[in-house]
Amino acid sequence: DAKTTQPPSMDCAEGRAANLPCNHSTISGNEYVYWYRQIHSQGPQYIIHGLKNNETNEMASLIITEDRKSSTLILPHATLRDTAVYYCIVRVARNYGQNFVFGPGTRLSVLP
Amino acid sequence: DADVTQTPRNRITKTGKRIMLECSQTKGHDRMYWYRQDPGLGLRLIYYSFDVKDINKGEISDGYSVSRQAQAKFSLSLESAIPNQTALYFCATSDAGQRFLDEQFFGPGTRLTVL
Repeated sequence: DAKTTQPPSMDCAEGRAANLPCNHSTISGNEYVYWYRQIHSQGPQYIIHGLKNNETNEMASLIITEDRKSSTLILPHATLRDTAVYYCIVRVARNYGQNFVFGPGTRLSVLP
Repeated sequence: DADVTQTPRNRITKTGKRIMLECSQTKGHDRMYWYRQDPGLGLRLIYYSFDVKDINKGEISDGYSVSRQAQAKFSLSLESAIPNQTALYFCATSDAGQRFLDEQFFGPGTRLTVL
């Protein structure tokens, strides 16, 4: 049973901000939101994670709604190399009994 | 990520053959995972191991077995390969001691084709 819902695909113009939404309406209070991406057929790569506060790192920003039922990953200035499948995952951190569940994700195409 | 290596990178085999995929890591992580990915789908967990003496089934373990020979090595075996096991296989590692993140680091993948 999927814990997250993401649009199957999105386009973004190069240099623009890419905003990738994720719905996680059944998220529990101790579950974090993680984002990974997979470029072509390479192994997935960690991007960012958060619990309830907005987070920013060198790759992206994560905006989590106050009710925590949805979030948005923001790539502030998308480049062609950001074309990838982006996965939104909810999971309790350091939970030995729960593993990452990668759904189909959102295929982001950055267009020149 | 060169810290997690998988061999072979590509393999073509025939139905009924036994196949072993190997994963090695130099990150010193205690946790290791095997996933498979089919076209257009996300990753599905096959097996995972939290240390050398720990083996756990994932979502789709039927038809597969694993061996954790050492902290750095985690092998996946297909005892009798069948065509619907044709997929891209990923090994991953994580460190439970890395703050609270448990971020997973993935290998480059093994593309397996069963004819």
